[in-house]
Amino acid sequence: DAKTTQPNSMESNEEEPVHLPCNHSTISGTDYIHWYRQLPSQGPEYVIHGLTSNVNNRMASLAIAEDRKSSTLILHRATLRDAAVYYCILHPWADRGSTLGRLYFGRGTQLTVWP
Amino acid sequence: EAQVTQNPRYLITVTGKKLTVTCSQNMNHEYMSWYRQDPGLGLRQIYYSMNVEVTDKGDVPEGYKVSRKEKRNFPLILESPSPNQTSLYFCASSLNVGTGYNEQFFGPGTRLTVL
Repeated sequence: DAKTTQPNSMESNEEEPVHLPCNHSTISGTDYIHWYRQLPSQGPEYVIHGLTSNVNNRMASLAIAEDRKSSTLILHRATLRDAAVYYCILHPWADRGSTLGRLYFGRGTQLTVWP
Repeated sequence: EAQVTQNPRYLITVTGKKLTVTCSQNMNHEYMSWYRQDPGLGLRQIYYSMNVEVTDKGDVPEGYKVSRKEKRNFPLILESPSPNQTSLYFCASSLNVGTGYNEQFFGPGTRLTVL
C-alpha cells in the first residue's frame, strides 16, 4: 500500500504562512493526494485534495510536485485555530487489487501556532 | 444536519465482555470505515465497507468484527475485548470511494477503556 511520510511536528507564528510537506515516493498514477486535519478532541476533517495540478480552496492550497512524489499543504496565514494534526493520505480512484477502500493515515504532523 | 453519529461516546468495560459500538450516517454514503487512534500511532484503519454486505480488513482488524446489513449503519463489534483495545475509535463515511474525490466525514469518536 502506498504510504506517506510527514514530519512529526512543525511550528509557526500566527498570521505567517505555513508549508506542511509530505513525501509519497511510491505514489501510483491512480492515487489522489488528500489532506485532513484533526483539531483537539475532534474527529479528522477534510482539508483539500488533488491529483496533478495545484489546488486552492477557502482553507488552504495544495502544491503537488511535478513528479508527484511529494506535496505541500500551504496555510497562507496561520491562525490559532489552525493548530491541529495534519494528515496527508493517498487515495486511489481506481481499484488496485481490492485496495480501493483501504486508507493509510499515518501519524501526521502536529502543527503548533504561536500567538 | 448531515452527520456521522457514534454511540456510546465513552465506555469503560472489562476484559471479555462483548460490546458493540454503533455508527450511523444520514448522508446515504456507500463507504464506511472504522479507525482507532492511539498516542504516537496516528489513525489506523480497522475495517471498511464499500457498500451493503461488502466489508474488508484494514491494517489492524484482529479482535474486531463488523457488519453492514443496511447502508446507514456500520457497527463495530468486540467479541472479547482486551486491554490492548483501549483506544479512541472513529467511524467515517464517504459518498463513493471510486471517484478519487473521497471526502470522509468522521464521527465524534468513542473513547473505550478495557480493564
